Amino acid sequence: DGGITQSPKYLFRKEGQNVTLSCEQNLNHDAMYWYRQDPGQGLRLIYYSQIVNDFQKGDIAEGYSVSREKKESFPLTVTSAQKNPTAFYLCASGPYEQYFGPGTRLTVT
Amino acid sequence: RKEVEQDPGPFNVPEGATVAFNCTYSNSASQSFFWYRQDCRKEPKLLMSVYSSGNEDGRFTAQLNRASQYISLLIRDSKLSDSATYLCVVNPATGKLIFGQGTTLQVKP
Repeated sequence: DGGITQSPKYLFRKEGQNVTLSCEQNLNHDAMYWYRQDPGQGLRLIYYSQIVNDFQKGDIAEGYSVSREKKESFPLTVTSAQKNPTAFYLCASGPYEQYFGPGTRLTVT
Repeated sequence: RKEVEQDPGPFNVPEGATVAFNCTYSNSASQSFFWYRQDCRKEPKLLMSVYSSGNEDGRFTAQLNRASQYISLLIRDSKLSDSATYLCVVNPATGKLIFGQGTTLQVKP
């Protein structure tokens, strides 16, 4: 099946810990994206990558880091510098329209 | 002014009603347009692309007015299962999509 997978679905961490969210796609898309969504809010772009080994900051990149070593994979690290990391994180890929993974709900206490 | 603006609603309609959502965008150079649907606590899913000539998919009709920079979505014969948040999305050809905040639809029996 073609699609985008994100793991885990739920993640709990203590403050001060870095955490890495996984995103994998087998749609052969060059472009991949990370968004954050807070309750009752819209999507905000964290980072995006249009090609392997290259990525750009989105609107809210502070406290996050990414890598793009393979076309299929675009992991996001939420660092301890991110002030309010608890949120719903969505990964997407696509040439024009975007297709989303099921998301990871991160809770930091 | 926001790049993409939508009335957040909620729109509360009875089953069988026709309901229309509008969305305005600020970048006149935008090239492609989409409507996504997002169910509560789920990822957004592509509902339909919006073409200049207008397009229809079953009970859903999308229209684009480039001169006035707005997009519309019409849902006929509303079903309970249509209850969701509808996101207006614009591609300004910058490598990233711009998402509206969403319009919430609640269809009542």
